Amino acid sequence: AQSVTQLDSHVSVSEGTPVLLRCNYSSSYSPSLFWYVQHPNKGLQLLLKYTSAATLVKGINGFEAEFKKSETSFHLTKPSAHMSDAAEYFCVVRIYSSASKIIFGSGTRLSIRP
Amino acid sequence: SQTIHQWPATLVQPVGSPLSLECTVEGTSNPNLYWYRQAAGRGLQLLFYSVGIGQISSEVPQNLSASRPQDRQFILSSKKLLLSDSGFYLCAWSVPPLGASDTQYFGPGTRLTVL
Repeated sequence: AQSVTQLDSHVSVSEGTPVLLRCNYSSSYSPSLFWYVQHPNKGLQLLLKYTSAATLVKGINGFEAEFKKSETSFHLTKPSAHMSDAAEYFCVVRIYSSASKIIFGSGTRLSIRP
Repeated sequence: SQTIHQWPATLVQPVGSPLSLECTVEGTSNPNLYWYRQAAGRGLQLLFYSVGIGQISSEVPQNLSASRPQDRQFILSSKKLLLSDSGFYLCAWSVPPLGASDTQYFGPGTRLTVL
């Protein structure tokens, strides 16, 4: 069965320090993996995606994620947090050719301390 | 450029009343369309998706239904709302054909409160 686990429901970091949002997945197939960000009462915006090309994926706003098949992980990182990064982040796994196999993680709320 | 609209932005409805949420996409043809629901403090749940006019796939059995009367219009409906239907409803589109690497583009959402 396919699943996505976001290990932390809430992460709080100080402005200017690194961000790490963890995501582990389970899939019987080669998945595509995505990170989306959602600001309060807004729709979701794509940060980055992995689709079996380079394992280190760079996204918008300085975020990047590394696909590690041996660890079944796709953690999201940013070297230096900014106040505008405060939002909800969703890890998503998608299985080839079936829209029904879109699985969202439960989300991680990122707070930034001044 | 492509844009996606949802309305209304917020809605408060009594239990047992009907529902109609609308989503339209501009700037693209024959998009894949999706309806999601996000309950408070939880991730998104795919409700319906559509690959073309009149083609609807349901992912979760419930009292909701979806229709696609036009290429770029996707409607979410209910004949009688339940309290458990409260949530944030998001419409999304992606470029066809359907595939694992599709990026989904989300609308601004509709906040539905059922009282």
